[in-house]
Amino acid sequence: EAQVTQNPRYLITVTGKKLTVTCSQNMNHEYMSWYRQDPGLGLRQIYYSMNVEVTDKGDVPEGYKVSRKEKRNFPLILESPSPNQTSLYFCASSRRTGGAGQPQHFGDGTRLSIL
Amino acid sequence: GNSVTQMEGPVTLSEEAFLTINCTYTATGYPSLFWYVQYPGEGLQLLLKATKADDKGSNKGFEATYRKETTSFHLEKGSVQVSDSAVYFCALTGIQGAQKLVFGQGTRLTINP
Repeated sequence: EAQVTQNPRYLITVTGKKLTVTCSQNMNHEYMSWYRQDPGLGLRQIYYSMNVEVTDKGDVPEGYKVSRKEKRNFPLILESPSPNQTSLYFCASSRRTGGAGQPQHFGDGTRLSIL
Repeated sequence: GNSVTQMEGPVTLSEEAFLTINCTYTATGYPSLFWYVQYPGEGLQLLLKATKADDKGSNKGFEATYRKETTSFHLEKGSVQVSDSAVYFCALTGIQGAQKLVFGQGTRLTINP
């Protein structure tokens, strides 16, 4: 089954304790992206990757890091989490080729609470 | 920059009512337009899309038409069901072949039996 898998689904942690949210896709997609969802703001892009070893900032990258060492994996790293990073996070992937309007496939989300 | 504006929610309707969720956009060039749906506890799923002016996207009884003259992509359904209760997001990708999605703020829809 084609899917994007995120782990963990839920995490409560404390300020300053490094954490990693993993994301893996089994569709051989080149493009992967992280979004955060906050009430009234919709989803905003944090970082994206066009292919292995190619990453770039989205609209709200401060406080986050990513890596793309393998095509299927795109972990999101919070080196020193703060309460304003409490949010619902989504990983997504899509093909790069095939014309306009390639749909993105989303994981089920990770709810992070930073105390 | 590119942006998407959706009608404010939440929206509450009775089963079999007609649904419209308004969406307008600001973008340079010719964006691709999407509606995504988020059911409780799940990620976003593509509902429908349109990639050029006057295209109509449709799926599961939902429709939306790409109107370049009014920069709109309103979502409609003739007869909603309780199972349509979800959060709906209008979104666009900015230029041909680009993947970055710009989302509206989402509209929560509740259908009462």
